[in-house]
Amino acid sequence: QKEVEQDPGPLSVPEGAIVSLNCTYSNSAFQYFMWYRQYSRKGPELLMYTYSSGNKEDGRFTAQVDKSSKYISLFIRDSQPSDSATYLCAMRSQAGTALIFGKGTTLSVSS
Amino acid sequence: GAGVSQSPRYKVAKRGQDVALRCDPISGHVSLFWYQQALGQGPEFLTYFQNEAQLDKSGLPSDRFFAERPEGSVSTLKIQRTQQEDSAVYLCASSLESVDTEAFFGQGTRLTVV
Repeated sequence: QKEVEQDPGPLSVPEGAIVSLNCTYSNSAFQYFMWYRQYSRKGPELLMYTYSSGNKEDGRFTAQVDKSSKYISLFIRDSQPSDSATYLCAMRSQAGTALIFGKGTTLSVSS
Repeated sequence: GAGVSQSPRYKVAKRGQDVALRCDPISGHVSLFWYQQALGQGPEFLTYFQNEAQLDKSGLPSDRFFAERPEGSVSTLKIQRTQQEDSAVYLCASSLESVDTEAFFGQGTRLTVV
């Protein structure tokens, strides 16, 4: 079992839909949780960063971390065609230097 | 420059050939990371530099992989005697502080070994 599990999709939604993306993990030492967006043939771009448990909101994006369930989520409200990309969850322990990534979920938003 | 720059963007190597991939981090960034991203997978950690010191190389898959950052700025990832399984996108990222979580990624170098 990999340390971080993420359903690769693909996930297809109509414009304006609410999108829910999720990852589960096994390492209870993870403290830093991130979501990256990666467009085709581009490098990952940081969207959201959360330390420990809780929620964080930034515009149309909300990140949630539930450490008791080892489960993190990213919600995208009012999805747009420009949100079509691969979304990668990533996490790191307090002492670690490496980000551990999920496989990524491919999202397609149709207009 | 404004972001992390990697060169070349694309590299085709014959099996057994040595390759060198370059990363120019954001100016002033202390930390530099190399990741390997296979097709359809998330990035996997290779190595980490704090300035010129290579503090973590636990992700390098074999002794054919070597990375350096001699002056604490530009970094080079070298792969000797390339194999087909080395085909992947190699991503470089930099961050301002030693344990800063906001790492900025370059566009990557796509290596194809034929």
